[in-house]
Amino acid sequence: AQSVTQPDIHITVSEGASLELRCNYSYGATPYLFWYVQSPGQGLQLLLKYFSGDTLVQGIKGFEAEFKRSQSSFNLRKPSVHWSDAAEYFCAVGAPLMDSNYQLIWGAGTKLIIKP
Amino acid sequence: DTAVSQTPKYLVTQMGNDKSIKCEQNLGHDTMYWYKQDSKKFLKIMFSYNNKELIINETVPNRFSPKSPDKAHLNLHINSLELGDSAVYFCASSRDSEAFFGQGTRLTVV
Repeated sequence: AQSVTQPDIHITVSEGASLELRCNYSYGATPYLFWYVQSPGQGLQLLLKYFSGDTLVQGIKGFEAEFKRSQSSFNLRKPSVHWSDAAEYFCAVGAPLMDSNYQLIWGAGTKLIIKP
Repeated sequence: DTAVSQTPKYLVTQMGNDKSIKCEQNLGHDTMYWYKQDSKKFLKIMFSYNNKELIINETVPNRFSPKSPDKAHLNLHINSLELGDSAVYFCASSRDSEAFFGQGTRLTVV
């Protein structure tokens, strides 16, 4: 069955420190992979996506993620976090349905807490 | 311009009432979705519509019914509201599986 696992329910890092949020997926073929961020009281915003090609993808707000097929992972990284990065982060896999449509399969989310 | 907009942003209502949440997208996407996010932030897909046809129905109660008058709109009707329906409901639209989300509607049933 297709699934997405975000092992960390919450992570606390100091402002200015580096960040890595983990995401593992279970899917039979090469998936479309996404990271979304949800700030408090807000909707979800796309940070970055991987469809094909270079396995290291750059996103908005200084985030990047690396697709590792051998590990079925798509971890999100940022070299230096800012207090405004405090939010909920969701990893998702796009699985194709019939008629060229897709279903997004979501991880449970990781809450990022920033220490001053 | 807001890409995906949903109204209202907040909705407080009593048990047993019937309510609707509206969603509109101006992105020209063919597929629209409704998600429910519970208090633990878990996202559950409820419905998606592609070209006015329902393509996913994740066994939600039949008190919930999506209505799509055209490709740009997907409204969510909820009958006989229950306490457990309290959640944040997100509308989204997509192309090539990249989804764009509305700001959410926080539904509180009292």
